[in-house]
Amino acid sequence: DGGITQSPKYLFRKEGQNVTLSCEQNLNHDAMYWYRQDPGQGLRLIYYSQIVNDFQKGDIAEGYSVSREKKESFPLTVTSAQKNPTAFYLCASSIATGTGGNGYTFGSGTRLTVV
Amino acid sequence: GENVEQHPSTLSVQEGDSAVIKCTYSDSASNYFPWYKQELGKGPQLIIDIRSNVGEKKDQRIAVTLNKTAKHFSLHITETQPEDSAVYFCAAADYGNNRLAFGKGNQVVVIP
Repeated sequence: DGGITQSPKYLFRKEGQNVTLSCEQNLNHDAMYWYRQDPGQGLRLIYYSQIVNDFQKGDIAEGYSVSREKKESFPLTVTSAQKNPTAFYLCASSIATGTGGNGYTFGSGTRLTVV
Repeated sequence: GENVEQHPSTLSVQEGDSAVIKCTYSDSASNYFPWYKQELGKGPQLIIDIRSNVGEKKDQRIAVTLNKTAKHFSLHITETQPEDSAVYFCAAADYGNNRLAFGKGNQVVVIP
């Protein structure tokens, strides 16, 4: 079955440590996105990529980094510069953006906790 | 860019009653409006969507209506069941930023 897979489901980070969240899709989607969700809050866009080797900052990119070396993969690194990283992280993908508008397919999320 | 607002933030309904969530959008150029359901601890799932050339779309107990003149669209859930309890997000295509703009979400609680 086609889908989008996030791993790990739970992740614990020590103060000052970088961690990388994995996102893989086999839907042949061109665009991929990373969102952060805090308790009782909506979806805040961190980074997005519409094509391989290209990505753009979202609304809260500070303290995060991404890469898009393959169409299927869009890993997110939470760096030590992100002072409040505890949150639920969601990855999504869609077919090419632009005209028409298209729905997103979301992964099941990674819950990151600072210990 | 597009700005999407959802009301009310929390909605409680008796099982079997109907629930309606309304969203407003700002960009008249938007022509795609999806709705997502997020259960606790899971990722959002697309449940229904509508494009601007259609005024209403139904899928079993859920329906979406679109009023382009007033720039609002609504999700209607009939004969609510406990499994309808979730957070619902609306969104609109944001062509200026080439992505979807999401509302902040509505918590729907179905009381048995």
